[in-house]
Amino acid sequence: AQSVTQLGSHVSVSEGALVLLRCNYSSSVPPYLFWYVQYPNQGLQLLLKYTSAATLVKGINGFEAEFKKSETSFHLTKPSAHMSDAAEYFCAVVGSGGSYIPTFGRGTSLIVHP
Amino acid sequence: DAGVTQSPTHLIKTRGQQVTLRCSPKSGHDTVSWYQQALGQGPQFIFQYYEEEERQRGNFPDRFSGHQFPNYSSELNVNALLLGDSALYLCASSSTGGISTDTQYFGPGTRLTVL
Repeated sequence: AQSVTQLGSHVSVSEGALVLLRCNYSSSVPPYLFWYVQYPNQGLQLLLKYTSAATLVKGINGFEAEFKKSETSFHLTKPSAHMSDAAEYFCAVVGSGGSYIPTFGRGTSLIVHP
Repeated sequence: DAGVTQSPTHLIKTRGQQVTLRCSPKSGHDTVSWYQQALGQGPQFIFQYYEEEERQRGNFPDRFSGHQFPNYSSELNVNALLLGDSALYLCASSSTGGISTDTQYFGPGTRLTVL
């Protein structure tokens, strides 16, 4: 069964600092990978997705993620954090191990300090 | 253009009762998926509907059932509610004909509390 691991349930950064949210998946076949953001009392919004094209994927709001097959990772980064980035972030995988049921990680809460 | 809408926003039920949640997909979308998000957890896939049929199902018991109507809107029904069914229920729509790898648009969710 496919799985997703998000290291760190909480990540705290200062405004203007680099944001790094970690995601590792289990698969021997490159799957489809997604990052979503969830603001309080709202649904999920797609930030970006990897579909076997370029390994560096650029998304909305200045976020990007790099697919590294050798490390089975798809970490999310942003060069400079903004207060409005404070939210819950979820990594998801589809198509890993032959399963096309989306599997989400447990989420990472990003806290941005002024 | 209205996005994905869900009703009701909040719902309180007691154990053993039945509940129906509703979802209207984004305009132009034909596929609806339902997710359960327990507090502090990521969403878990319940099932997906396309062409009024259940196309994929996650690891949820038969107490969870659904329906899709000709206008693509959908209902999630949960019977014999348990305390553990308390969660945020999310609906997502896409225009992919049942393919899960394309972009899904999520609604704001229905918060179900089971007492």
